[in-house]
Amino acid sequence: QVQLQESGPGLVKPSETLSLTCSVSGGSIKNYYWSWIRQPPGKGLEWIGYIYWSGNTNYNPSLKSRVTISVDTSENQFSLMLSSVTAADTAVYYCSRHYDFWKGFDYWGQGTLVTVPS
Amino acid sequence: HSVLTQPPSASGTPGQRVTISCSGSSSNIGSNTVSWYQHLPGTAPKLLIYLNDQRPSGVPDRFSGSKSGTSASLAISGLQSEDETGYYCVAWDDSLNGPVFGGGTKLTVL
Repeated sequence: QVQLQESGPGLVKPSETLSLTCSVSGGSIKNYYWSWIRQPPGKGLEWIGYIYWSGNTNYNPSLKSRVTISVDTSENQFSLMLSSVTAADTAVYYCSRHYDFWKGFDYWGQGTLVTVPS
Repeated sequence: HSVLTQPPSASGTPGQRVTISCSGSSSNIGSNTVSWYQHLPGTAPKLLIYLNDQRPSGVPDRFSGSKSGTSASLAISGLQSEDETGYYCVAWDDSLNGPVFGGGTKLTVL
């Protein structure tokens, strides 16, 4: 059974860089697409971006200037960096696996809350 | 606000059939497939339906999906207390070149 687990600081200061890692167990990171998704408190889900195991990426245009997603196949994990954070970036951050390129997300992490104080 | 529109709440009694709607546009639901997720806050969302109406193995056949034009629906028959949680729809959006989400529907089993 594939499992995803997000990890990283739960508190990030304004203007600093948010950094999270998604560790994949029970399966290989190879040959799949992987996404980061977030949900601010009381708001809907927002797709941040995806990465293919080979390193190809695509980002949400609204966040593109601040986002970097990378993959480490040797560690079976992928990471998110979001720069110049503000209170608006406070959210639960989820990592997920794409079912093929796009049939949906077949596996998700349980999410991690990142708070940026105002 | 979310790109896909879902009712914020739905309810039913045990054994009943309930449906949850998801409305989008030509750039998402109108031209791409829809998936549905069950999500209890604090836990990993679970894929219920993909490709509009397909169930992953292990998902009970009480859950079914459909799509018509720019709208989709999730139906839950034989409602059980354990179905009381949140449900989200997701579709690929050609304008965004990424997935877009519904705002979520909280299902209450009365």
